[in-house]
Amino acid sequence: GDSVTQTEGQVALSEEDFLTIHCNYSASGYPALFWYVQYPGEGPQFLFRASRDKEKGSSRGFEATYDKGTTSFHLRKASVQESDSAVYYCALGYGSSGNKLIFGIGTLLSVKP
Amino acid sequence: GPKVLQIPSHQIIDMGQMVTLNCDPVSNHLYFYWYKQILGQQMEFLVNFYNGKVMEKSKLFKDQFSVERPDGSYFTLKIQPTALEDSAVYFCASSLPGEGAETLYFGSGTRLTVL
Repeated sequence: GDSVTQTEGQVALSEEDFLTIHCNYSASGYPALFWYVQYPGEGPQFLFRASRDKEKGSSRGFEATYDKGTTSFHLRKASVQESDSAVYYCALGYGSSGNKLIFGIGTLLSVKP
Repeated sequence: GPKVLQIPSHQIIDMGQMVTLNCDPVSNHLYFYWYKQILGQQMEFLVNFYNGKVMEKSKLFKDQFSVERPDGSYFTLKIQPTALEDSAVYFCASSLPGEGAETLYFGSGTRLTVL
């Protein structure tokens, strides 16, 4: 069945460091791909999505490019801030309206000032 | 922004008891969802609900689970009877009809511990 793999369980960075969180998926066709962010004490929040090969999604300085060839949707940010500390989830949409999600296990990002 | 409220935030019960998890969705949303996240594992889809009916459910949605939204009040997940493997964080979400997952709003979860 369809699946999402995030290889980093935790990432620890300092402010202004470059961030990469890897996400690979397994699915047929062109599922919509998403990044969600979860701050402490809150539920996951939509960050951005991409729906077709080579499409870039972005929000709040984060970005990811849909790559059908490598089945990847890696999250990147050029310069992280302490306020970016959160859990980041990669997800793919499925179902007739694409509104059900298969989540990755999540990556805990900790940014030191 | 819009908020989905989940009550309670924590619930501890003995195995075999009944539990009801409550969700107050975004006011103009019509699709409702429950997701389950066991500690250290992925969040997984349980069920979605629209117009008073279950639309889709996963294999995780056991016979002991039921959902309803009586008279437009809380959207509830009831587990009767509970089992040890039901211990997890349960996230409610709501969305607009006909829209993709970018309109999904999640609550902050209810942590259920079954002893």
